[in-house]
Amino acid sequence: AQSVTQLGSHVSVSEGALVLLRCNYSSSVPPYLFWYVQYPNQGLQLLLKYTSAATLVKGINGFEAEFKKSETSFHLTKPSAHMSDAAEYFCAVSKIQGAQKLVFGQGTRLTINP
Amino acid sequence: GAVVSQHPSRVICKSGTSVKIECRSLDFQATTMFWYRQFPKQSLMLMATSNEGSKATYEQGVEKDKFLINHASLTLSTLTVTSAHPEDSSFYICSARLDRNNEQFFGPGTRLTVL
Repeated sequence: AQSVTQLGSHVSVSEGALVLLRCNYSSSVPPYLFWYVQYPNQGLQLLLKYTSAATLVKGINGFEAEFKKSETSFHLTKPSAHMSDAAEYFCAVSKIQGAQKLVFGQGTRLTINP
Repeated sequence: GAVVSQHPSRVICKSGTSVKIECRSLDFQATTMFWYRQFPKQSLMLMATSNEGSKATYEQGVEKDKFLINHASLTLSTLTVTSAHPEDSSFYICSARLDRNNEQFFGPGTRLTVL
């Protein structure tokens, strides 16, 4: 079975500050890992994904995440927060083989303070 | 990029009626589509995997007779909520998987309110 834990349901940072959203996963098989962003009343947009290539993954909008197998983590970072980054962020895991169903974490709401 | 649409975006219905939600992949063919449910301020929960030309695979605890899924073509999957009740009110999101690289693309969601 696979699961994802996002530490912190709500994170608040100042504009221009570092953004760090934490994600830990559990998987009995090598995983694929994803970060999605959701704006109010909208679907999900893929920020970045880890698919067993480079452990440091760069995504859209200046976000990046590092896969650390020893820590079973896939934390999302951005050096300098922008007001437009305010949204809900979801970490997700899937298996490499099979139906590749996504299992989502509970989400982290990011608030940016001016 | 690949685009997925959902229709309607918002629907309000009376208790006991049925509601159909469409999910379309606009510029690619999707053998597999997924249906998720999201309660307010909560995460997405997978309801079922929709496979073109075959029966959907439902997750544990999801009533297949209540949430009817039809994936009749490579670009369209429908979710019908039958005999809807207020507790079925939720945000329903679909995704379509691009066969080429297995990436899922999400629709904008449908907000269902059952009175």
